[in-house]
Amino acid sequence: AQSVTQLDSHVSVSEGTPVLLRCNYSSSYSPSLFWYVQHPNKGLQLLLKYTSAATLVKGINGFEAEFKKSETSFHLTKPSAHMSDAAEYFCVVSVILTGNQFYFGTGTSLTVIP
Amino acid sequence: NAGVTQTPKFRVLKTGQSMTLLCAQDMNHEYMYWYRQDPGMGLRLIHYSVGEGTTAKGEVPDGYNVSRLKKQNFLLGLESAAPSQTSVYFCASSSNSMRQSFYEQYFGPGTRLTVT
Repeated sequence: AQSVTQLDSHVSVSEGTPVLLRCNYSSSYSPSLFWYVQHPNKGLQLLLKYTSAATLVKGINGFEAEFKKSETSFHLTKPSAHMSDAAEYFCVVSVILTGNQFYFGTGTSLTVIP
Repeated sequence: NAGVTQTPKFRVLKTGQSMTLLCAQDMNHEYMYWYRQDPGMGLRLIHYSVGEGTTAKGEVPDGYNVSRLKKQNFLLGLESAAPSQTSVYFCASSSNSMRQSFYEQYFGPGTRLTVT
């Protein structure tokens, strides 16, 4: 079985400071991992994905995430927050071999303070 | 290439009414999904389909039915709406390719449903 835990429901940072959104996963197989972003009243947009290639994954808008198997983590980071980063972020785990089901975390709401 | 589209975008229903939400994708994807999104709960899978003519239950299927008569369309039905079904509904699709570069979900813009 697969599951995802997003460790913080809310994160608040000042503009220009680093962003860290934490995600831990559980999977019986080698997982694929994703981060999606949802701006207010919008749909979901893929930020980045890990599918067993390089463990450090770069995404759009300066975000990146590192897959750490020993820690079962896939934390999302950005060196310098921008006001436009304020949104809801979802970590997602899936396993290609088990029928393309995707399991969502409960989300982290990011606030960026001017 | 429109990707994944959903109709309608907004709807208000009275308790007991029925309605159908339509999801369409033009990417020739095998897999399609319906989720509901509620505050603090992320996205929860209602039903999904692994191909034309097949459907399966997800995490929260009660009160919903689905059909996949055509590969590009996935319909979500509410036979007798209840206030607990007030939510934002998202449709998604994905390829059945085992190539990891193709492995991700594509989402529609959502349908905001209110049941009074």
